[in-house]
Amino acid sequence: EVQILESGGGLVQSGGSLRLSCAASGFTFNKYAMTWVRQAPGKGLQWVSAISNSGGSTYYADSVKGRFTVSRDNSKNTLYLQMNSLRAEDTAIYYCAKEVSCTNGVCSYGDYWGQGTLVTVSS
Amino acid sequence: QSALTQPASVSGSPGQSITISCTGTGSDVGGYNYVSWYQQYPGKAPKLMIYEVSNRPSGVSNRFSGSKSGNTASLTISGLQAEDEADYYCNSYTSSSTRYVFGTGTRVTIL
Repeated sequence: EVQILESGGGLVQSGGSLRLSCAASGFTFNKYAMTWVRQAPGKGLQWVSAISNSGGSTYYADSVKGRFTVSRDNSKNTLYLQMNSLRAEDTAIYYCAKEVSCTNGVCSYGDYWGQGTLVTVSS
Repeated sequence: QSALTQPASVSGSPGQSITISCTGTGSDVGGYNYVSWYQQYPGKAPKLMIYEVSNRPSGVSNRFSGSKSGNTASLTISGLQAEDEADYYCNSYTSSSTRYVFGTGTRVTIL
């Protein structure tokens, strides 16, 4: 059974840092790209970042580029999101999701999702 | 990169069919066959309903179907059921630096 579990969220002051983790099981983690998606309270979904199966390619939304870093440890079946210089507008539930399929680096995501972890940035 | 445009709400009676549109540009929806649709219940994680415009993941009801024409993608739900009442979001790959963009979201209400 595929399971995805995010952790690491919490309350942080503006300008602070947090590292989110996403532990995966039930599938061959190193064969799939992964993505982070967030949802501010009462708002819609926003794509944040993605990483290839090997970790060799990473991608970011313009709003987080230069502040967030996505990485993975395939030996631990875990995805990470290091978030620095946090702002009030980064307050959201952060979800990680698994790739469905990829062709030439372009992927569809989301056949499996975690339950999300809440990040609150206080100003 | 602006969000893709979806109607804020769509409603229908049980048994009817509804269609949710997702309008972008030639740099996203119109340029690539990487449009996905997600269903989300309040307080829950999204669920993938359609990927690559018209593909249904295993386990998703065949009452859900996807299509695309020009810069607009569509999700059709046929034989509406009470359990279909939820929020629906489209998503597309984009040639812009932001790479993927979601739609504004549509609340589906069963009358």
